[in-house]
Amino acid sequence: GQNIDQPTEMTATEGAIVQINCTYQTSGFNGLFWYQQHAGEAPTFLSYNVLDGLEEKGRFSSFLSRSKGYSYLLLKELQMKDSASYLCAVRSGSARQLTFGSGTQLTVLP
Amino acid sequence: NAGVTQTPKFQVLKTGQSMTLQCAQDMNHEYMSWYRQDPGMGLRLIHYSVGAGITDQGEVPNGYNVSRSTTEDFPLRLLSAAPSQTSVYFCASSYLSVRGSMNTEAFFGQGTRLTVV
Repeated sequence: GQNIDQPTEMTATEGAIVQINCTYQTSGFNGLFWYQQHAGEAPTFLSYNVLDGLEEKGRFSSFLSRSKGYSYLLLKELQMKDSASYLCAVRSGSARQLTFGSGTQLTVLP
Repeated sequence: NAGVTQTPKFQVLKTGQSMTLQCAQDMNHEYMSWYRQDPGMGLRLIHYSVGAGITDQGEVPNGYNVSRSTTEDFPLRLLSAAPSQTSVYFCASSYLSVRGSMNTEAFFGQGTRLTVV
């Protein structure tokens, strides 16, 4: 089976930096994704890591360590619109199934 | 380019009724899947398909059927609705393998909010 863990809730201040961690246990790893989901909306793609290291995309960066089963999403210069749920997802197996963590609800305070 | 289209957006069913949630994508993605999302439990995989004519069960398949007669369409059928199936349902599609600069990110439909009374 697979196990994906991430914190349930986090709070940060506008303009600050926040790091959301994700740990996973899986076989046949084929990539790790981060998605953003605003309340009442569909998840939208943020980042993708398949090799170890840091991927940067504007204010958002994602890091992966395959040997440690660990990833984090780094959000810089937080804005109020960044208040959302952030979902860590792992693709694995021969059929490339995508398994999601329960999500981290981030609240950005003024 | 419509992406992933789900219908209906909202539905109320009585216990025991059956219905089909529709999902269509126009990106020629091989992989399509259905998830349900419940508070505090994240997205859980119901069924998935790696191509036309091929379907398989995910984590929570009981009470649901799927078929994949074409690349574009992947309907989800509730055979006999139960209150435990009250949830938000998302359809998603993706490539199976990386295509040039395109990775295998999943594109989601807007969701169907289903209530079974």
